[in-house]
Order: sequence, then C-alpha cells, then structure tokens
Amino acid sequence: SYVLTQPPSVSVAPGKTARITCGGNNIGSKSVHWYQQKPGQAPVLVIYYDSDRPSGIPERFSGSNSGNTATLTISRVEAGDEADYYCQVWDSSSDGGVFGTGTKVTVL
Amino acid sequence: QVQLQESGPGLVKPSETLSLTCAVSGYSISSGYYWGWIRQPPGKGLEWIGSIYHSGSTYYNPSLKSRVTISVDTSKNQFSLKLSSVTAADTAVYYCARSRGQVPTPFGYWGQGTLVTVSS
Repeated sequence: SYVLTQPPSVSVAPGKTARITCGGNNIGSKSVHWYQQKPGQAPVLVIYYDSDRPSGIPERFSGSNSGNTATLTISRVEAGDEADYYCQVWDSSSDGGVFGTGTKVTVL
Repeated sequence: QVQLQESGPGLVKPSETLSLTCAVSGYSISSGYYWGWIRQPPGKGLEWIGSIYHSGSTYYNPSLKSRVTISVDTSKNQFSLKLSSVTAADTAVYYCARSRGQVPTPFGYWGQGTLVTVSS
C-alpha cells in the first residue's frame, strides 16, 4: 500500500515560515491535498490539488509537489496556525484514499 | 451550506457490528459527489475507511474491506457505515465527509465526528 511520511513535529516562531513535508514514492505524479486539524475539531481542507486554496483560506497557505516530496508552506505564521496538518492522496493502484502520518505545528 | 451529522451508538461490544449514520442537510445526496467515512483513534492520525458515490458505487480501504459496508439512502438523504467484528483497535472518532468535487477526494465538508468505543 502507498505510504505518506510526514515529520512528527515542526516548531516555528510567529511571523516566520513553516514548511511541512509529505514524502511518498513519486508523489509528484499524484494530486496532494492538505488538511488542518485543531484539537477537538474536524479537519479542514487548506490546500487541494497540490496548490489550490479553498475560499476562506488565507494566502499565507501554499503548496507544492515534485518528485518524492510535497510541501505545505505557511508564511507569516500566526498563533492560530498551531494545529496538526495531514497530507492526503488518492492511490489509483489500490483505488483508495491515503493520509499522511500527520505533523504537529507548534508556534513558539 | 452543506452540513453533515454523524449518529450512532457510542459504545459497541467486541465482535459486534458498529453502525453509524451520517445525515446530510443543505444538499441532496442524489445530486452527486462522493460521501466518505474517515476515523481517528484517540491521539493518532486519520484513516480513510471508504467512500460511496451517490449512485451507490463504493471504494473501501483494503485493510478494512472485508469488514466494511457503506450504503446510501437517498430517500432519507443519509449514508451509513457498518463495520463488523470490531475490536478495541476500532475505537476512534468517526467522521463522515463529502468530496469537494466529483471525485472521491479531497474532502471539502466534514461532520463534527462521533466517538465510538469498543469495550465489553
């Protein structure tokens, strides 16, 4: 089965840039989606199809995908960005959804 | 605005069948989109369980496929999850969700989630 690997945690100071990676075999050939989940809440889609932002998501959130790594970038980090972030793809070989292992972003 | 609400027993005994329903408001299931179930064990990550198209075609997580059934009831505008032969490992918050487009993922709308505990 397809595996997506994320760093367990990322720490960033307010106003700085956070980069969260999502590693997978030839992930650049797939469409990657990113979700933000705050404690006790359902996930929220923040990036879809590698780099598109749903309405209401700040421009500070951006995404890229190439080779074996997809990246979610959060610019000018705010305290409210502290959350768990999950990448997700659709694996056509198994016809199933796959989530990454998740990354906890801590704002210092 | 699409809204989803999970319902079902919060406690299920080992070896029994977990049954949950997701009531949809603000959109007619029969009009399209994929409708899915995702779960999250306490303190752990998200796991996709399966998805169903409004027409009834389904996709299931291979690791759960032998125990999972997802169905849709357009007359009640709801869809359901059944997971058989549960164990403590199936204890999780279960979310229902709708796809953002006419493909299974990403999920653009989520329910608030419901905790199901497997215990005797």
